[in-house]
Amino acid sequence: GAGVSQSPSNKVTEKGKDVELRCDPISGHTALYWYRQRLGQGLEFLIYFQGNSAPDKSGLPSDRFSAERTGESVSTLTIQRTQQEDSAVYLCASSLSLVDEKLFFGSGTQLSVL
Amino acid sequence: QKEVEQDPGPLSVPEGAIVSLNCTYSNSAFQYFMWYRQYSRKGPELLMYTYSSGNKEDGRFTAQVDKSSKYISLFIRDSQPSDSATYLCAMIGGAQKLVFGQGTRLTINP
Repeated sequence: GAGVSQSPSNKVTEKGKDVELRCDPISGHTALYWYRQRLGQGLEFLIYFQGNSAPDKSGLPSDRFSAERTGESVSTLTIQRTQQEDSAVYLCASSLSLVDEKLFFGSGTQLSVL
Repeated sequence: QKEVEQDPGPLSVPEGAIVSLNCTYSNSAFQYFMWYRQYSRKGPELLMYTYSSGNKEDGRFTAQVDKSSKYISLFIRDSQPSDSATYLCAMIGGAQKLVFGQGTRLTINP
């Protein structure tokens, strides 16, 4: 596709439910990143993928968060047993490779946990 | 102390004014410096990218890096209402992880 695509654009869920957020990177981009942006805050790094591999998962806030990437393409961020503090915009970005510092972002998924 | 500090604003200026946005950082390993612009309900988009100390100009935008002071700036000349957005500085070093500032919310008033 022309840009990074994220779905859904908005997700409202009840506390305790699981949610799945999807990211479609730019075709040919091998590096993929997930960030979280709380209201009025900067971007908080969560995890990155080089190909299908995530070498560093230390940015994930808790073990309720997990992510995977398949086919060096689509990535899914899963949050289990959602809590109200998980409410935020979840942004995905991709770049040609890890050594390419220019990231292209999607429009994000606005997650609201009631 | 955060690795990257950025005044969140908000900053409101009249159309045509010169805008100065700034970030300071503590990690001397940072080598690449970027400014992203984020419109409401959109993802950040790369605006300026610099590597070395000095100035880089692109149209009405000038990015300035002072590695000795660990200080970067973005200047916007002849500001327009369409420049109203949140501006985030970002930088990266050896850890291959882009670190963002908090973002400055800018409004240009017609």
